[in-house]
Amino acid sequence: EAQVTQNPRYLITVTGKKLTVTCSQNMNHEYMSWYRQDPGLGLRQIYYSMNVEVTDKGDVPEGYKVSRKEKRNFPLILESPSPNQTSLYFCASSFSGSSYEQYFGPGTRLTVT
Amino acid sequence: QQPVQSPQAVILREGEDAVINCSSSKALYSVHWYRQKHGEAPVFLMILLKGGEQKGHEKISASFNEKKQQSSLYLTASQLSYSGTYFCGTVGEYGNKLVFGAGTILRVKS
Repeated sequence: EAQVTQNPRYLITVTGKKLTVTCSQNMNHEYMSWYRQDPGLGLRQIYYSMNVEVTDKGDVPEGYKVSRKEKRNFPLILESPSPNQTSLYFCASSFSGSSYEQYFGPGTRLTVT
Repeated sequence: QQPVQSPQAVILREGEDAVINCSSSKALYSVHWYRQKHGEAPVFLMILLKGGEQKGHEKISASFNEKKQQSSLYLTASQLSYSGTYFCGTVGEYGNKLVFGAGTILRVKS
């Protein structure tokens, strides 16, 4: 089944404790991205990747890191999480670029206390 | 820059029609439409590309006015299953970022 998977689905952590949210797709998509969703603000792009080893900042990259070492994986790293990063995070992928249908993962609900 | 969606929320009865609008201040290459039900991931509805090409579901219709950088999503003969939050996303002419609006909450009542 074609899908985007994220782990973990739910995470409660404390301020400053490094964490990684994994994202993997099995559709051989070139484009992958991370979004955060907050009430009233919609989906805001954190980082995106056009292909392996090619990443770029989205609209809200502060406090986040990404890497794209393999085509199928695009982990999101929070090196020192803060309470304002409490949010619902979605990973998405598409065949090639931002003007193709985006396939979203199921989401990761992160709470930073 | 985030596109502006209107209305913010709308309540319909089954069978009624609705239009959701999306407006951007920059020149656009493409406009996306997605629907998100509570607790779920956004689901693709349609993409409209500069030049007139459209990709999406047959039962969904939308328009893209390239000169005004505006798009509208048309929901006709609404069903209970249409309920959810609708997001438009825009891609500028010279960029790779997909920027979403704040969303329009649609509720269909029986």
